[in-house]
Amino acid sequence: RKEVEQDPGPFNVPEGATVAFNCTYSNSASQSFFWYRQDCRKEPKLLMSVYSSGNEDGRFTAQLNRASQYISLLIRDSKLSDSATYLCVVNPWETGTASKLTFGTGTRLQVTL
Amino acid sequence: GAGVSQSPRYKVAKRGQDVALRCDPISGHVSLFWYQQALGQGPEFLTYFQNEAQLDKSGLPSDRFFAERPEGSVSTLKIQRTQQEDSAVYLCASSFSRQGAGEQYFGPGTRLTVT
Repeated sequence: RKEVEQDPGPFNVPEGATVAFNCTYSNSASQSFFWYRQDCRKEPKLLMSVYSSGNEDGRFTAQLNRASQYISLLIRDSKLSDSATYLCVVNPWETGTASKLTFGTGTRLQVTL
Repeated sequence: GAGVSQSPRYKVAKRGQDVALRCDPISGHVSLFWYQQALGQGPEFLTYFQNEAQLDKSGLPSDRFFAERPEGSVSTLKIQRTQQEDSAVYLCASSFSRQGAGEQYFGPGTRLTVT
């Protein structure tokens, strides 16, 4: 079983739609969680961190359910510019080790007119 | 300001050749990471440096892979006797904090194709 699992998509949605991505992780001791965005042939960039209390940044809302080991990302009012691959990322953050980010395979989003 | 830079951006190697990939992290960043991203997959951790010390190399797939950061800034990832399965994008990331606890900033990657 992969440490971080995501539906690869693609998710094809019209502009203005709301879309949600989910992710599950296997290491219950994981300490921090992120969503990264990766455009085609570009490097990953941090979209937002994910906190236990849930957090929102404009049109983007991230939630964490530690009991179910589940992370979600909601995008409201999708824009064409949101088209990208969204990577779910977990940091096990074991004491004394480096932050070895563990990435899911990514979920591809295509927003259309 | 300048971000993480990597060179070359593209490298084609014949099977069996040695390659060297360079990473220039953001100035002052203590932590440096190498990741490998195969087509259609997320990046996978290879190795980690804190300044010049290589503290974790658990992700290196074989002893053909070797990384160094002798002066605690620029890092080189070397792959000896390249194989077709080494074809991937090699991403370097740096972080201001020790152990990379803060945000990791990624470079554009080196796309390696082994023929």
